[in-house]
Amino acid sequence: DTGVSQDPRHKITKRGQNVTFRCDPISEHNRLYWYRQTLGQGPEFLTYFQNEAQLEKSRLLSDRFSAERPKGSFSTLEIQRTEQGDSAMYLCASSPNRALEQYFGPGTRLTVT
Amino acid sequence: AQSVTQPDIHITVSEGASLELRCNYSYGATPYLFWYVQSPGQGLQLLLKYFSGDTLVQGIKGFEAEFKRSQSSFNLRKPSVHWSDAAEYFCAVGAGDDKIIFGKGTRLHILP
Repeated sequence: DTGVSQDPRHKITKRGQNVTFRCDPISEHNRLYWYRQTLGQGPEFLTYFQNEAQLEKSRLLSDRFSAERPKGSFSTLEIQRTEQGDSAMYLCASSPNRALEQYFGPGTRLTVT
Repeated sequence: AQSVTQPDIHITVSEGASLELRCNYSYGATPYLFWYVQSPGQGLQLLLKYFSGDTLVQGIKGFEAEFKRSQSSFNLRKPSVHWSDAAEYFCAVGAGDDKIIFGKGTRLHILP
């Protein structure tokens, strides 16, 4: 299966620690998106890439968050100095070119204690 | 600004009964509209989408949705639900900048 994959699926960390998540999109998909989903809410847009270029960042993406897609393939999302409010499901999606049809990965559930 | 409203947080139907999940959107131009389904602990799966053309769109798993511009609605329907349809359903609207805005979701419960 060549769907979107995310690693790890679950992460428990203590407040103040740094965490990094990885997303591998569907091969040949140029666009890659990151979303955050908290309990009882729909996914909220964080940022997206066209190949290796980060084209837009949400106001939700504080300066503790950074995302990269160095070779236009996989992407990483890093959260520095985690806070309890960062506890959420982090979803990655990819799409071909400018198509709006996004394919989602299974997500990484982050718990900050 | 674009927004999506799903008025029902929870819906309970009996297995075999018909289903309609409501969705209203706010967008100035012709919207791109989506319905996604999310099973517990899983990512989102696209059920169907509307970009243009026929306002009644067919999706996977027997779902369909109808775009009504006059009502700014894109309701999801299924004639007969199965226990495996129990999940959370998200309506979403896409804007010209390729960003998708999701509603808060409707959790569907199925009674045996």
